[in-house]
Amino acid sequence: EVQLVESGGGLVQPGGSLRLSCVASGFTFSNYEVNWVRQAPGKGLEWVSYISNRGGTMYYSDSVKGRFTMSRDYAKNSLNLQMNSLRAEDTAVYYCVRGDYGEGDVWGKGTTVTVSS
Amino acid sequence: QSVLTQPPSASGTPGQRVTISCSGSSSNIESNNVYWYQQLPETAPKLLIYRNTQRPSGVPDRFSGSKSGTSASLAIRGLRSEDEADYYCAAWDDSLPGVVFGGGTKVTVL
Repeated sequence: EVQLVESGGGLVQPGGSLRLSCVASGFTFSNYEVNWVRQAPGKGLEWVSYISNRGGTMYYSDSVKGRFTMSRDYAKNSLNLQMNSLRAEDTAVYYCVRGDYGEGDVWGKGTTVTVSS
Repeated sequence: QSVLTQPPSASGTPGQRVTISCSGSSSNIESNNVYWYQQLPETAPKLLIYRNTQRPSGVPDRFSGSKSGTSASLAIRGLRSEDEADYYCAAWDDSLPGVVFGGGTKVTVL
């Protein structure tokens, strides 16, 4: 079964850091681009970041640029999102999404990040 | 304020046709493909329409997408109670670069 499973969410204080992971299974991970998309409580979808299949190209939204960093671990079929200098407005469910240029054909169930003191 | 503009809500009775619009610009909808997602309550979004008009396997043909210039639309024909959900349009935006979403449209079946 084609699947993405996120982990690493939790409660963190403003200014703190968190590292999210997304493990892929059921498909050849290195063949696909991957994104992070988030959804604040009661709000719509917001694209966060993109990484190409080989990891050579990354894009970030202006709201996280300079604070979040994506990386891929091909040996573990996983994707990471290092989040630093977290703010209250980063509170959201974070989804790992397979696809490129807006096409998200596989979504994980999401992991919840809460930034609060 | 979302880059792509959708109406916040739409509704219809069972069997009716409902249309959701998505308005963008030359840097996103006009020059790139449009995607539509359905999000049922308390679940992750699901791809409903890809590359403007294509349906993934398993999506009923009651759902259809179209695009013209800087706008796109999602139509739901023969509305059913299980279609009650939030619907989002999305496209790549060359000016960012990155993905932009609409604010979402909540569809209610009366």
